[in-house]
Amino acid sequence: AQSVTQLDSHVSVSEGTPVLLRCNYSSSYSPSLFWYVQHPNKGLQLLLKYTSAATLVKGINGFEAEFKKSETSFHLTKPSAHMSDAAEYFCVVSDRKGKGEYGNKLVFGAGTILRVKS
Amino acid sequence: DTAVSQTPKYLVTQMGNDKSIKCEQNLGHDTMYWYKQDSKKFLKIMFSYNNKELIINETVPNRFSPKSPDKAHLNLHINSLELGDSAVYFCASSRTGGKSSYNSPLHFGNGTRLTVT
Repeated sequence: AQSVTQLDSHVSVSEGTPVLLRCNYSSSYSPSLFWYVQHPNKGLQLLLKYTSAATLVKGINGFEAEFKKSETSFHLTKPSAHMSDAAEYFCVVSDRKGKGEYGNKLVFGAGTILRVKS
Repeated sequence: DTAVSQTPKYLVTQMGNDKSIKCEQNLGHDTMYWYKQDSKKFLKIMFSYNNKELIINETVPNRFSPKSPDKAHLNLHINSLELGDSAVYFCASSRTGGKSSYNSPLHFGNGTRLTVT
């Protein structure tokens, strides 16, 4: 079964410095991987997704992630943090379980809280 | 123009009561989900429906009963509420179909914070 490990529960950066949120996955298949962001008291918003096309994936708000099969990693980066980036980030792998070909059962990591200092 | 909307946003109730959470999506998606986020922010799938048919049913107490009157709605009814049911419940939807369904990202609602006292 697929699983996701987010290596840091909390990350703190200064505004204007780079962001690195680490994620490792395990999957029996060629996985689909996602990063979602959750702002306080809000739902989850999709940042980006990897679906076996380009290994470097660009998302919204200047975030990007690189799929490295040899390292089973899908780390999220941003060159320069902004105060509005402070939120919780979830790395997610898609498990193909479900009836027939339908159903997208996402397996979530435990989340990384990003704090941005001014 | 909310894509996935849940009601209510907050729900406070006593143990033993029965309550429902409603979810509607206007994205034209054919698959809807319920996820539970516990106090440690861990998200786990509960149910998924595709075109009103149950396709994913994780190990959830049978006090929880999802109902999908049409593919734009997926409601969650909970009987005999317990303290451990306190959590944030997220509804989501996606467009699926065929072998590419696992690629489809989910669109989430803003959650329903359920507190059982």
